[in-house]
Order: sequence, then C-alpha cells, then structure tokens
Amino acid sequence: LAKTTQPISMDSYEGQEVNITCSHNNIATNDYITWYQQFPSQGPRFIIQGYKTKVTNEVASLFIPADRKSSTLSLPRVSLSDTAVYYCLVLTGANNLFFGTGTRLTVIP
Amino acid sequence: EPEVTQTPSHQVTQMGQEVILRCVPISNHLYFYWYRQILGQKVEFLVSFYNNEISEKSEIFDDQFSVERPDGSNFTLKIRSTKLEDSAMYFCASSDPGGLTSGPTDTQYFGPGTRLTVL
Repeated sequence: LAKTTQPISMDSYEGQEVNITCSHNNIATNDYITWYQQFPSQGPRFIIQGYKTKVTNEVASLFIPADRKSSTLSLPRVSLSDTAVYYCLVLTGANNLFFGTGTRLTVIP
Repeated sequence: EPEVTQTPSHQVTQMGQEVILRCVPISNHLYFYWYRQILGQKVEFLVSFYNNEISEKSEIFDDQFSVERPDGSNFTLKIRSTKLEDSAMYFCASSDPGGLTSGPTDTQYFGPGTRLTVL
C-alpha cells in the first residue's frame, strides 16, 4: 500500500478556497487517488477520486501532477459546514480502506 | 439516495458481556465491511465480507469478533466478551465494485456508526 502524507491540520476563513496537498511518493501504476471526508461522530464519506490531471465534481476538485507523487484536494469557497477531517488514500481496485490521521480542516467565521 | 443504516446508535455494556451491532447495507451492494474508530484516533479496518464469507480481516479482528449476514438485508458484528478497549465507534460500510455506484476502485459507503461504551 502506498503511504500517504498530509498536513495534520489547517484553518481557513469562510468563503476562501482551501487546498489540501497529499504526498504519495510510492504510488503504483494501477493506484487511484481517493479522498474521503469525515464529520465529527459520522462515518467517512467519499468525496472524489482521480488518476491523473484534474477531476472536478459538485463538491471538490482534485489536481494530480504528471508524476502522480502528490495530489491536491481543492474545496472552493468553504463554509462552516466543511469543517471536517479529510483523508487521502491510494487505492487499487477493491481494497479495504486504510485511513491515516487525515487533515483536520477548521473553517472560521 | 440509498444509505447504510446502523443500530443502535449507542450501546452501553458491561465488560465481559456480548454485544451485537447491526447494519443494513445498501440493498444492491455485495461487499460489506466493519471499521472502528477509537475516540481521537484513526479509522481502522476490521473485516470485509463477500459471498457469505470473510474476505479479509485485520489483526484486531480476533476470536472475540464474528460477523454474519443472517438474512438478505442485515450484516452484524458480534463481540463475544467485551473489553474496556473495545469502546469505540463502529462503522459498517458497503460497496458494489464494478457496479453502478462504484468507479474504478471500490467506493465504500459508510453508515453513521454505533458508539460502543464498555464499562
């Protein structure tokens, strides 16, 4: 399993764009980069997944450079309800999920 | 949108007692999972289940733990003799690899969790 490294915590003001970067130097050719979000006292929730370049959905964008050794989750114009822990995972096919400590995002009014 | 449900939301038990945590996965999903999260710590994989048998289990999932799919809808986690260190949030998840709700990898859908407190 490719190990991932991401910041432990981040603070942001409401309305700002937040970028959370994850390092995964040992990513394998067949691995996909996947992000989950976890609100306090809730189960993790899938946000976005990508293989290379850029992926965008209604919640976030995911930027992956050509070497795929890192990725950046971008949350546009965050609100207080985006306060959560964000996990970066590297997956191949059907996998049991191994979560790290994630990045605790706090959105400040 | 379909969702995974879990009952009870909170279970309090005495050390040494048996508990059964229940989950109803999303109806057309084929893979089922249990994870746990001790307060303040990361989410840990316990076990995966497919085709009525355990696919994989972690070292946490020892002989005190068992899983069962007693009917077509429920998926249960039993802890035979609870210990203080079993106190945690237990999350059930389900997935449908290769199906309509998945992408190239196994997108798992988590339930709201059961908070287990062992006294």
